[in-house]
Amino acid sequence: DQQVKQNSPSLSVQEGRISILNCDYTNSMFDYFLWYKKYPAEGPTFLISISSIKDKNEDGRFTVFLNKSAKHLSLHIVPSQPGDSAVYFCAASGRGASGSRLTFGEGTQLTVNP
Amino acid sequence: ETGVTQTPRHLVMGMTNKKSLKCEQHLGHNAMYWYKQSAKKPLELMFVYSLEERVENNSVPSRFSPECPNSSHLFLHLHTLQPEDSALYLCASSQGAVPAEGYTFGSGTRLTVV
Repeated sequence: DQQVKQNSPSLSVQEGRISILNCDYTNSMFDYFLWYKKYPAEGPTFLISISSIKDKNEDGRFTVFLNKSAKHLSLHIVPSQPGDSAVYFCAASGRGASGSRLTFGEGTQLTVNP
Repeated sequence: ETGVTQTPRHLVMGMTNKKSLKCEQHLGHNAMYWYKQSAKKPLELMFVYSLEERVENNSVPSRFSPECPNSSHLFLHLHTLQPEDSALYLCASSQGAVPAEGYTFGSGTRLTVV
């Protein structure tokens, strides 16, 4: 049973436009969500997170939106830059529960074209 | 060295070989993890060590054997692997279960079983 799902394996956008990456989850116990970015030959690196008590968190060009009723979150990158081309992983955790772990989605390959 | 370091970066092994993956973290974290990343699949959590004690083993076949001799080092011993075990193996560490910035990952070992 996959609890975190990223339905789009790939996304291609033009430089300067908005990139929107989507993530759905099924476990209602999840209360903390993160986005990671991964370049080839490197490990995933933390990008931005959001707690379930919020519906939006912004950090520079990156904004994460959380819709708890729909169990959906999205990452907006604006304006997109060629250096943003990478695989983006969504992750979730029931942080308030003991023994909580990060559960990851399959990742979305973002390509930003110059 | 800082962060999480994994060696080797690439490994090709036969199905009858025995090899080990090494992970080292210089962050003073108290938890370490092994993840498996296969193409088009979510990152799969394999093992969790907290304070050098294995606290989680997610139904991983016995041909994978972890070892955590101290809080800074984590090994994954491999023997009689199958071709389907070919994947990117990622090590991660954290201070506590799920800190605000999630886990810190190494660059991974790309394993090919022939």
